[in-house]
Amino acid sequence: EIVLTQSPATLSLSPGERATLSCRASQSVSSYLAWYQQKPGQAPRLLIYDASNRATGIPARFSGSGSGTDFTLTISSLEPEDFAVYYCQQRGTFGPGTKVDIK
Amino acid sequence: EVQMVESGGGLVQPGGSLRLSCAASGFTVSSNYMSWVRQAPGKGLEWVSVIYSGGSTNYADSVKGRFTISRDNSKNTLYLQMNSLRAEDTAVYYCARATSGYSYELYYYYYYMDVWGKGTTVTVSS
Repeated sequence: EIVLTQSPATLSLSPGERATLSCRASQSVSSYLAWYQQKPGQAPRLLIYDASNRATGIPARFSGSGSGTDFTLTISSLEPEDFAVYYCQQRGTFGPGTKVDIK
Repeated sequence: EVQMVESGGGLVQPGGSLRLSCAASGFTVSSNYMSWVRQAPGKGLEWVSVIYSGGSTNYADSVKGRFTISRDNSKNTLYLQMNSLRAEDTAVYYCARATSGYSYELYYYYYYMDVWGKGTTVTVSS
């Protein structure tokens, strides 16, 4: 079973700053990795699939990269609505999440 | 509009049963992979189960043998039958449509949850 680890657990940044989130898989998943955003009291929302493809309606400030075991989600310039928890996922496994909060 | 609405959550005693429903509109449940994902209070997301378009199923080890995923094509509805419930099953349960594909490199089907319901809360407590 593949294990996903995410770092950091919490990222404290200011609006307008760049956010870089990491997801590492215990074995290669090629490019079959997704990223989700979840805000308090809401269902998760798919941001990125196949490691680097933005889902429908996702702003261009969100980008994904990586393959094999190491993946990155980048938010180029944080908007107030981007402060949330972000999860990576591969098939039946989710990472533990990274919380992006306001510094 | 593509959407899913869960129902059936509530308070149940340990050892009891519940059946969750997820009514879909705007797409056909039987043509898609469909999944249940849960989130315990203050915790992260935990995948629970998937039913593939062909009808086969898969479960997390934590629920295997206790939970059953199914669908009613005539009602375009997904279900999760939960038996022998435990306190650790307390969570918000989300149903999700999954977009899928096959990896010839890794020899398996992969899937991502692209549409989510708002969730239904299950509380297991005496």
